[in-house]
Amino acid sequence: AQSVTQLDSQVPVFEEAPVELRCNYSSSVSVYLFWYVQYPNQGLQLLLKYLSGSTLVKGINGFEAEFNKSQTSFHLRKPSVHISDTAEYFCAVRTLTGGGNKLTFGTGTQLKVEL
Amino acid sequence: NAGVTQTPKFQVLKTGQSMTLQCAQDMNHNSMYWYRQDPGMGLRLIYYSASEGTTDKGEVPNGYNVSRLNKREFSLRLESAAPSQTSVYFCASSEGQVPHDYGYTFGSGTRLTVV
Repeated sequence: AQSVTQLDSQVPVFEEAPVELRCNYSSSVSVYLFWYVQYPNQGLQLLLKYLSGSTLVKGINGFEAEFNKSQTSFHLRKPSVHISDTAEYFCAVRTLTGGGNKLTFGTGTQLKVEL
Repeated sequence: NAGVTQTPKFQVLKTGQSMTLQCAQDMNHNSMYWYRQDPGMGLRLIYYSASEGTTDKGEVPNGYNVSRLNKREFSLRLESAAPSQTSVYFCASSEGQVPHDYGYTFGSGTRLTVV
């Protein structure tokens, strides 16, 4: 069974600084990978997804993530954050074989952007 | 464009009471899901329905039942609520037939407190 580890539960960063949110997955087969964002008191919104092809994936709001198969990682990055990026971010994985279209989510990383 | 609609948004129950959380999607998606979100634990799958007429248990099904009423609607029932079921509940849907459609669309959540 696959699992997802988000190594940091909280990441504080100053506005306009770069940020990286880390995600590692565990799966014996190929995977599809996702990042979701949750703003306070809202549902989750899709930021970006890796399905195949280029390992650098660009998403909404200036975020990007890089799929690294050898490191089993899918870290999320933004070169310059804004106050409005304050939210919780979830990494998720779906395996290619079996299990229906079910996503397994990590425990989330709270990004707090400060002035 | 309503997407996924959950009702109610907030609910307080006494231990032992029952209730049904409603979810409806207007995107003609085949698959629907119920997750619960607890601090530090991310999202955990309770039940899912891969298609109309089918339901399957997820990671934490105990104490819950579901009904896929039709293609649009997927309800979650708590027969005898317990304080451990205090959580935020999210419904989601996906097309799920091809990789491009594997991502989920989430509702805005139901915040349930059991006292």
